[in-house]
Amino acid sequence: GAGVSQSPRYKVAKRGQDVALRCDPISGHVSLFWYQQALGQGPEFLTYFQNEAQLDKSGLPSDRFFAERPEGSVSTLKIQRTQQEDSAVYLCASSSTYTLAGVGNEQYFGPGTRLTVT
Amino acid sequence: EDKVVQSPLSLVVHEGDTVTLNCSYEVTNFRSLLWYKQEKKAPTFLFMLTSSGIEKKSGRLSSILDKKELSSILNITATQTGDSAIYLCAVDITDKLIFGTGTRLQVFP
Repeated sequence: GAGVSQSPRYKVAKRGQDVALRCDPISGHVSLFWYQQALGQGPEFLTYFQNEAQLDKSGLPSDRFFAERPEGSVSTLKIQRTQQEDSAVYLCASSSTYTLAGVGNEQYFGPGTRLTVT
Repeated sequence: EDKVVQSPLSLVVHEGDTVTLNCSYEVTNFRSLLWYKQEKKAPTFLFMLTSSGIEKKSGRLSSILDKKELSSILNITATQTGDSAIYLCAVDITDKLIFGTGTRLQVFP
């Protein structure tokens, strides 16, 4: 596709509900990243995939957060038993480069999913 | 702990003014520094800087990296109302970007 797309764009969940956020990266991009952006803050890293392999999940805030990319393309970020502190914009980014190859990592971002937990 | 600090946090100017946004970093595994512009949606890529002292330029925007001072600046000349946005600085530390909190720029006519 022309750019990174994410769905839904907005999600309201009641506390305790499970949610699933989808990311479609730019076609052919091998690297995919998830970030969480709280109001008034810069994005914070959650997790990173290279193809279908999840190489870094150090930023996931708790075991309620789970991400997958089973076929190395579309990715889903799942949040179980949502809490109010999970309210944020969730950004997905993709990159054509293998980050460990010493080549610059220019990431392209999607529009984000704004999650509000009530 | 890796960190990126941007200043000022907020800037209000009139059209035609020139602005300079600052970014400083302390990270363990620097590979590059990136600037993004964020309006009400996705951050859009502006520049990627890897070498010290080499200015990158795109229209009225320019940026330069100083690896000795662990910092970068983003300059915008002859600002326009369309430049109003949050400008994010990020450092690539190999498998992730570490972002600053951003500088909110407002340009009034």
